[in-house]
Amino acid sequence: AQTVTQSQPEMSVQEAETVTLSCTYDTSESNYYLFWYKQPPSRQMILVIRQEAYKQQNATENRFSVNFQKAAKSFSLKISDSQLGDTAMYFCAFMKRGATNKLIFGTGTLLAVQP
Amino acid sequence: SAVISQKPSRDICQRGTSLTIQCQVDSQVTMMFWYRQQPGQSLTLIATANQGSEATYESGFVIDKFPISRPNLTFSTLTVSNMSPEDSSIYLCSVVGSNTDTQYFGPGTRLTVL
Repeated sequence: AQTVTQSQPEMSVQEAETVTLSCTYDTSESNYYLFWYKQPPSRQMILVIRQEAYKQQNATENRFSVNFQKAAKSFSLKISDSQLGDTAMYFCAFMKRGATNKLIFGTGTLLAVQP
Repeated sequence: SAVISQKPSRDICQRGTSLTIQCQVDSQVTMMFWYRQQPGQSLTLIATANQGSEATYESGFVIDKFPISRPNLTFSTLTVSNMSPEDSSIYLCSVVGSNTDTQYFGPGTRLTVL
């Protein structure tokens, strides 16, 4: 069975600084996706970034980028130029490619951006 | 991505009663899911809502407690039956559109059971 581990329950960063959130996963699958989702306080869960395992190039979305290390089963999220609106719970998630589309979530990292 | 709405957005219910949560999508989607997020915790998949057939439940979740309907490709309901305070959670639906393997989430329903 697949597992996703986020070892940082809480993190804090100053506005305009850079922060990296860690995620590791365990799987015997070779074809899968990895995701970072953001859940602001009392607001909707939104997709931040997605990585396809067969792609070696790290995904980027504006200020958000990932460091995908397939052999090490590591998938960290880097947020550059942190903004107050980045304050949220961040969840790392794994999905085996196939018919079921089931997401397996980590326990989350609560990120606080300080002014 | 699809626009997903859920009703109600929140509710406070008495133990022993049932609540039905609706999930509506503005376009046809291939797959719909229901998740539970207990206070301060991550998301746990309850079931996959299958159009025109019975839902597929994950371990620890049963149809008698969480009956699910999906009459068409844009709508699903989740009922939380015979509620107890332990059912107090956020319930979220998610969808996977065509030509994508990415799930998008609804705004959630915050349920409090007294």
